[in-house]
Amino acid sequence: QSALAQPASVSASPGQSITISCTGTSGDVGGYNDVSWYQQHPGKAPKLIIYAVDTRPSGDSNRFFGSKSGNTASLTISGLRPEDEADYYCSSYRTGDTLVFGGGTKLTVL
Amino acid sequence: QVHLAESGGGVVQPGRSLRLSCTSYGFTFSQYALHWVRQAPGKGPDWVAGISYDGSIKYYGDSVRGRFTISRDNSKKTLSLQMNSLRPDDTAVYYCARDAAGYRSSRWDYWGQGTLVTVSS
Repeated sequence: QSALAQPASVSASPGQSITISCTGTSGDVGGYNDVSWYQQHPGKAPKLIIYAVDTRPSGDSNRFFGSKSGNTASLTISGLRPEDEADYYCSSYRTGDTLVFGGGTKLTVL
Repeated sequence: QVHLAESGGGVVQPGRSLRLSCTSYGFTFSQYALHWVRQAPGKGPDWVAGISYDGSIKYYGDSVRGRFTISRDNSKKTLSLQMNSLRPDDTAVYYCARDAAGYRSSRWDYWGQGTLVTVSS
């Protein structure tokens, strides 16, 4: 199954904001409100940071924001911190009882 | 505290079989759907299979359908993945993950630490 499209990398300085896009089709991102975002540090399991397009798990940082327009979902991280440096992946339900990930975006905090 | 722990990984020759297990603690196992997700070295995650809370519904990614079988034993709080006809491109860290919303969801709120499967002759 083809992955959702994400930029390979993004970088910014501490305190700045970045947005990562996740582009799919009407059969996945555009057709369902089931887009999640995961943060993964090296050697660790992915961590859920956004689900249902724009919902943060309770107690998690309010610097992470999710949104969606058409077939593209986005993750915005505000007030960047060094510990935000990680890989970020989107995921979505896809028609036909399949679940699909994005190819991943490496965030560098300069 | 919720905890998932995978086991059963190792080195296996192409064409052979391997069975992974995932044991759970800290939550009512029988109330949650579960998934297997794998991640090849240097690559992003790849969803493998999912199973409903009662085991009645199972579904698979295209790359493993017909070769892998997901199952669960709610009395033992254990999730399993039987992997047959293994190929070198099945080499990955395999994670089990809890589905917080239902079997057709990408909302996986707890993950295990992963177990490495290496398929090589």
